[in-house]
Amino acid sequence: DTAVSQTPKYLVTQMGNDKSIKCEQNLGHDTMYWYKQDSKKFLKIMFSYNNKELIINETVPNRFSPKSPDKAHLNLHINSLELGDSAVYFCASSLGTGGGNEQFFGPGTRLTVL
Amino acid sequence: TQLLEQSPQFLSIQEGENLTVYCNSSSVFSSLQWYRQEPGEGPVLLVTVVTGGEVKKLKRLTFQFGDARKDSSLHITAAQPGDTGLYLCAGYTGGFKTIFGAGTRLFVKA
Repeated sequence: DTAVSQTPKYLVTQMGNDKSIKCEQNLGHDTMYWYKQDSKKFLKIMFSYNNKELIINETVPNRFSPKSPDKAHLNLHINSLELGDSAVYFCASSLGTGGGNEQFFGPGTRLTVL
Repeated sequence: TQLLEQSPQFLSIQEGENLTVYCNSSSVFSSLQWYRQEPGEGPVLLVTVVTGGEVKKLKRLTFQFGDARKDSSLHITAAQPGDTGLYLCAGYTGGFKTIFGAGTRLFVKA
């Protein structure tokens, strides 16, 4: 019944490692997002896909690479992890791309880089 | 750079008190949303406002969109411990991107 799910919920890893976070939505939405929420709770958009096509690509290090195999899935791969990557990463989805569309968020993945 | 500033950043009150939190920007928004986020969970939409001067009520929560569509407020009447959480405003100016404010962290003591 979960609308937007993310795995894993917690991820603890060493600097320099490569890791992936997976996201799936069962709402039939066309648009999916990745956000980063830092320790001050500021929620910042990283990427957005609409029907598997990248539509938002914010100023994010190219160590971060999103992949959307189909419109229900949006995964995030991070290479060469750094201490500053520690944050909570949220996946979200919405029916359309315009403002006013409700975004449904997953429970978040807390990434800790040691 | 479009910014949404929220105030106060942190608010701790007793159950039964009223409160107002604010969301301000120099940008004009086509629509503005308020989300609530509880610890360990993702944000959940409370309301969307689209018309300048619009007022929407959701039980004890009253949301107002400024006449110029640059600001918004959220008023909670008779706050309850269940209202505890992070309140985020999010503005849309066009294109694909929604901008989030840094949030107001509310703690309601029983």
